[in-house]
Amino acid sequence: KNEVEQSPQNLTAQEGEFITINCSYSVGISALHWLQQHPGGGIVSLFMLSSGKKKHGRLIATINIQEKHSSLHITASHPRDSAVYICAVRRGGNQFYFGTGTSLTVIP
Amino acid sequence: DAGVIQSPRHEVTEMGQEVTLRCKPISGHNSLFWYRQTMMRGLELLIYFNNNVPIDDSGMPEDRFSAKMPNASFSTLKIQPSEPRDSAVYFCASSPFRYTDTQYFGPGTRLTVL
Repeated sequence: KNEVEQSPQNLTAQEGEFITINCSYSVGISALHWLQQHPGGGIVSLFMLSSGKKKHGRLIATINIQEKHSSLHITASHPRDSAVYICAVRRGGNQFYFGTGTSLTVIP
Repeated sequence: DAGVIQSPRHEVTEMGQEVTLRCKPISGHNSLFWYRQTMMRGLELLIYFNNNVPIDDSGMPEDRFSAKMPNASFSTLKIQPSEPRDSAVYFCASSPFRYTDTQYFGPGTRLTVL
């Protein structure tokens, strides 16, 4: 059983579409991270959340601690958003659990 | 700022050989993480240092793996002896204060063990 489940696993969208990627987890956490992995393999940390919502440019991340759920939204998607998006949760202490990632392709 | 620097970027070795991966964190960052990524298991945290001290190495797969951080600007991950199942991309990341902070990832080292 995976402690972190992401959906969908794969997503294809037309440029300009609004995109939502979901992350559900089954353990109590102290923080949740959204990571972006580019086609070349590089990883960028997008957000770290412990409550509420954060926004950076066209990206918005929300978390509902009670429901053990987080969403990553991309507004006005662009081909350069094509990447794998990974949800990671941190429990108390130093335990990290990672989702398997959502592969996003944005078509011009 | 140069970001997190890892070397080598690619390593191909034969089973049984010793492999050493290197990481230079961002200057001033106090926390350093080693991760492994494979197709089968995704991203896994191997070990985490805070102020050069290993805090949690419970993710290290077995005794063949060891990590050190002799000073604030350098860390190594060593595999001895290496096995084909160790083939993966190994990422190093650093964060300013603690594991609660945003992490900055290096470009990764792609290791292939033949």
